[in-house]
Amino acid sequence: GDQVEQSPSALSLHEGTGSALRCNFTTTMRAVQWFQQNSRGSLINLFYLASGTKENGRLKSTFNSKESYSTLHIRDAQLEDSGTYFCAAERANNRIFFGDGTQLVVKP
Amino acid sequence: GALVYQYPRRTICKSGTSMRMECQAVGFQATSVAWYRQSPQKTFELIALSTVNSAIKYEQNFTQEKFPISHPNLSFSSMTVLNAYLEDRGLYLCGARQVSNERLFFGHGTKLSVL
Repeated sequence: GDQVEQSPSALSLHEGTGSALRCNFTTTMRAVQWFQQNSRGSLINLFYLASGTKENGRLKSTFNSKESYSTLHIRDAQLEDSGTYFCAAERANNRIFFGDGTQLVVKP
Repeated sequence: GALVYQYPRRTICKSGTSMRMECQAVGFQATSVAWYRQSPQKTFELIALSTVNSAIKYEQNFTQEKFPISHPNLSFSSMTVLNAYLEDRGLYLCGARQVSNERLFFGHGTKLSVL
């Protein structure tokens, strides 16, 4: 989207490796949420951050509101991590805007 | 836990007809509901944000006349796509939450196909 710039648009990883996804924001955001969209279209909640860093298993996310970016780190990628990942950032008026997604393929 | 049920999961309608989709929040109070459309190219568009006891706010390019939304209580919201045409195809998703500093919970989405 215009307010949320997500990169990369596509990512290929071998099992066991890792990488990072990033969202840059063109305006001040007060919170960010990361989702994984599975093959059926369902959005799975990964993280919600108003600031700082959270970790959950092999995933870690950071939100830096001052520098207007958020990252999602994946380590030790597994086949089931394949899917499309989205960040969604919230403005002060409660409106939430999505990035354009990162299509992740994890290969054996 | 918090869940959002959205139905139907998929629907096909003839060009020029209308279809209605519904969202039910379970386990929390859906004070705020946001409706999105995800295009076949996977990009998301915010259609409108509805907050109980407040006016529904539509984004640019989306109108109440085309996408009327009802949010009558803290557990239910519906949206209708009126006079659907090819450009209205996509996955429509409702996201709900109780308070503004919490995560959005999404339903499975309603996939709209238009013939």
